[in-house]
Amino acid sequence: DAGVIQSPRHEVTEMGQEVTLRCKPISGHNSLFWYRQTMMRGLELLIYFNNNVPIDDSGMPEDRFSAKMPNASFSTLKIQPSEPRDSAVYFCASSDGTAWGYTFGSGTRLTVV
Amino acid sequence: QQPVQSPQAVILREGEDAVINCSSSKALYSVHWYRQKHGEAPVFLMILLKGGEQKGHEKISASFNEKKQQSSLYLTASQLSYSGTYFCGTESTGGGADGLTFGKGTHLIIQP
Repeated sequence: DAGVIQSPRHEVTEMGQEVTLRCKPISGHNSLFWYRQTMMRGLELLIYFNNNVPIDDSGMPEDRFSAKMPNASFSTLKIQPSEPRDSAVYFCASSDGTAWGYTFGSGTRLTVV
Repeated sequence: QQPVQSPQAVILREGEDAVINCSSSKALYSVHWYRQKHGEAPVFLMILLKGGEQKGHEKISASFNEKKQQSSLYLTASQLSYSGTYFCGTESTGGGADGLTFGKGTHLIIQP
């Protein structure tokens, strides 16, 4: 398996623009998680899905953030409009709920200027 | 609530031992441990479920004290490859119904 695949790896955008981050989880994993990592706040859970259904989005910072999982093999995290304080590394992770933990994607480094 | 990790940073010589602690104010179902190297994604090391079990993986092992809501990660005879940031992640409900809440990490530097 190729692991969790995220795209793009790097994104530089101007303030006010829409940003879409993409994630393909490991086949057969029924849970998908979006995390944001910054030096100040560490790894923050934004939202997670079980069987494509959003379970808890209380970590989504504002209405500017939205996430979807239209099928078992694809999820998106959208920021509209983007702001400089959204600059961070965004990780997607998937799990099958067993003792093998989470598998993280390589992350998307987002810079909003 | 975010678990608290200690120490924040450790510098060791190759071959020395280290202990990293993780403490939560909430009742826990499981504790995960991950290692992240600079510029890379966190990598899963091990999971401990409530029941006070201890797990081992070569020279890296961990324990989980369910009553105290604490876990410790033990690295013995450290190697240069152990350098990185170690995170504990906690889960209050089992079966993947929760997302993990991570501590702020412990930076481990191994010097030759």
